[in-house]
Amino acid sequence: QKEVEQDPGPLSVPEGAIVSLNCTYSNSAFQYFMWYRQYSRKGPELLMYTYSSGNKEDGRFTAQVDKSSKYISLFIRDSQPSDSATYLCAMSENTGFQKLVFGTGTRLLVSP
Amino acid sequence: DADVTQTPRNRITKTGKRIMLECSQTKGHDRMYWYRQDPGLGLQLIYYSFDVKDINKGEISDGYSVSRQAQAKFSLSLESAIPNQTALYFCATSDRARGQETQYFGPGTRLLVL
Repeated sequence: QKEVEQDPGPLSVPEGAIVSLNCTYSNSAFQYFMWYRQYSRKGPELLMYTYSSGNKEDGRFTAQVDKSSKYISLFIRDSQPSDSATYLCAMSENTGFQKLVFGTGTRLLVSP
Repeated sequence: DADVTQTPRNRITKTGKRIMLECSQTKGHDRMYWYRQDPGLGLQLIYYSFDVKDINKGEISDGYSVSRQAQAKFSLSLESAIPNQTALYFCATSDRARGQETQYFGPGTRLLVL
């Protein structure tokens, strides 16, 4: 069983839809949770960073962490075609040395 | 301008050949990483370096070696390439100056081993 599970998609939605992307994990020691966005033929770029449980909002993006369920989510409101990319979740036990464990990524397609 | 650059961007090589992938950064970060990305497996850490004199193996280091020539340069070598090393390779850098460590990735090198 993988330490971090993520549905590979693709997830296809129309422009303007609310998108929900999710990851589950098995290691209860994870405390730091990240979402990376990766466009085709590009490297991943950090989108959201959260610590422990709770919500964090940044513009159209909201990250949620539920440590009791070992489940994290990324919500995208008013999705745009430019949001079409692969979204990777990543987790770490600590911030002293950030050994990241990545999900496999979910490919999102937003059609105009 | 790219802060983390990788060369070459694409490479085709044959089984048994030795090849080197290079990474340079202008971010001034101490920490550098090499990952490989495979479909269905996500990103896996090959090697990481905290500074020029501190190099550590990641989870999949067999068949790879690295060299940290300077703070800004970190090279990955495949001593004798094999087909299952065909993958997308990423270099990343990070710092911890702000307490929250963020990894910044290069554009990747697409490697095909025939």
